Amino acid sequence: QVQLVQSGAEVKKPGSSVKVSCKASGGSFSSYAISWVRQAPGQGLEWMGGIIPIFGTTNEAQNFQGRVTITADESTSTAYMELSSLRSEDTAVYYCARVKGDSFSSGHLFWGQGTRVTVSS
Amino acid sequence: QSVLTQPPSVSAAPGQKVTISCSGSSSNIRINYVSWYQQLPGTAPKLLIYDNNKRPSGIPDRFSGSKSGTSATLGITGLQTGDEADYYCGTWDSSLNVYVFGTGTKVTGL
Repeated sequence: QVQLVQSGAEVKKPGSSVKVSCKASGGSFSSYAISWVRQAPGQGLEWMGGIIPIFGTTNEAQNFQGRVTITADESTSTAYMELSSLRSEDTAVYYCARVKGDSFSSGHLFWGQGTRVTVSS
Repeated sequence: QSVLTQPPSVSAAPGQKVTISCSGSSSNIRINYVSWYQQLPGTAPKLLIYDNNKRPSGIPDRFSGSKSGTSATLGITGLQTGDEADYYCGTWDSSLNVYVFGTGTKVTGL
């Protein structure tokens, strides 16, 4: 069974950056797209972007273009999401999620446990 | 501002049926598969439905999905206390080239 284990909670200052990791185990890593999804307190799910490790191709939501960098290390089966120029509105739980099939539209079957990022001065 | 619109909340008595709508457009729901997710408080979302109407292993057949045109619907029959959660639709938007989630619907029992 596929497991996604994310790095621990972070507290950051406004203007700084945060990098969250997502280590996969129990299945193929490279062939399946991985998304990053965030959820601000009391709010809905927001897709930030994703990567298909075998191709190294990424898509980012317009809201985050220029601030988010999504990468993947096939040798360690780990995906990363780095968000820069943090502001208080970036306080949220950040999830990684792996798709079920061969595209993002096939649905996200496997989810990490979430990483809480708090941005506060 | 999500491109997929859901009702904020729906409610029903235990044992009854609820339906949740997800309204999109010709660049997302009409041409791409729709998924549905359940999120219990304090937990990660869980995939309930994929490819419009398929259930992953372990999801009971009380949950069903359908799609017509630019809208999709999640149905839950025999509502149980454990079904009280937030539900989100999701799909790819081929115009924006992003994955989009619905606005979310809170299901509560009467």
